Parts: sequence; structure tokens; C-alpha cells
Amino acid sequence: GENVEQHPSTLSVQEGDSAVIKCTYSDSASNYFPWYKQELGKRPQLIIDIRSNVGEKKDQRIAVTLNKTAKHFSLHITETQPEDSAVYFCAASTAGSQGNLIFGKGTKLSVKP
Amino acid sequence: NAGVTQTPKFQVLKTGQSMTLQCAQDMNHEYMSWYRQDPGMGLRLIHYSVGAGITDQGEVPNGYNVSRSTTEDFPLRLLSAAPSQTSVYFCASRPDRAGTEAFFGQGTRLTVV
Repeated sequence: GENVEQHPSTLSVQEGDSAVIKCTYSDSASNYFPWYKQELGKRPQLIIDIRSNVGEKKDQRIAVTLNKTAKHFSLHITETQPEDSAVYFCAASTAGSQGNLIFGKGTKLSVKP
Repeated sequence: NAGVTQTPKFQVLKTGQSMTLQCAQDMNHEYMSWYRQDPGMGLRLIHYSVGAGITDQGEVPNGYNVSRSTTEDFPLRLLSAAPSQTSVYFCASRPDRAGTEAFFGQGTRLTVV
């Protein structure tokens, strides 16, 4: 089955700096790659997603890139703010009959004022 | 439109007790799933359903049962609780299985003593 690896597990940046979180996946049939943000004590919420027919997607300060050949995708946050502090999860979904979302183990991002 | 509703929010069980975590969605989503979240382990898939009357196992199904008698409801049953089942449980729904956003419930924090 699908396996998703996520790095780093923790990331600390100064306010205004950029943050990059990287994920790799194992199943070449995966075709949907969402990123979720989870604030302390809250539910995960989608912040951006990308499909396998697209190499990059941007939404204001957030961007995701996908390299299908290398089977890895990354989340880029520019001009970080203290409210970006949270745990971020990447996930991959296969094109098969199940289409289950398999998650990475998460990255705890801390943005210091 | 309430989205995905989970009950209860908190629960303490004694080893060997049984209980059911409730999950309901009002978005007419076909796909529903249960995840458990443990520190440093990310979100791991327990069971999922691609429609009423259809359920299947995820990554960590042992000790849990599910059923899907209606499109709206997807309860998770612990038949004989064990301390290893102490975790935060999230129910999620998606419009269908292929490349769509997962909407999470608010979570249930379960402690087994």
C-alpha cells in the first residue's frame, strides 16, 4: 500500500522567513496530494491541494510543488506569521478503487515573532 | 449545514469496556473514514466506507468495528477497550473517493485506563 514520509518533524523559523516541508510517497498511482493544517486542539483543515497533472499551485503565501518522477511534493510558506504556527500534514491518495488518504506523520511549525 | 459531527468529544473508559463513537455528516458524502491520531504518528486510517452498506479495513483496524447503514452515519465501535486505544479519533467524509477534500469532525479524545 501507499506510504508517505514527511520531513522535518519539527521546524522553527523567524517571522517573515520562509518554511519548506517535504513529503515523499511510494505508490506511483497516487494522483491527489493535499496539505492539512492542524492547530492545537482543533481538527485538520485543508490549506492547499494538487493533482498529478499539475506541477505547482499557489494560493497567496502558500505553494505546493509536485515532482511525479521523484515521487515527492513540498509545501512552501513565504513571509511566515505567528498564526502559521501549527502541525502540517501531507497526504497522498491513490487512483485505485479505495482512494484512501494516507497521511505523513506531520511537521510542527513554530514561527517566532 | 453542520458538516461532520462527532460525539462525544471526551471519553474515559476502563479496560475491557465497550463503546461507540458516533459520526454523522449532512453533506451527502459517499466516502467516510475513521482515523486515529497519536503523538508523532500522524493520522492513521482505521476503517473506511465508500457508500452505504460497504465498509473495509484501513491501516490499523484491529480492535475496532464499523457499520454504514445510512449515507449519513458511520459509527466506530470498540468492543473491548485496551490502553493502546488511548488516542484522538477523527471521522472524515469526502464527496467521493477520488481526489477530493476530506472534511474532519472535531475529534474524540479517548482515554482507556
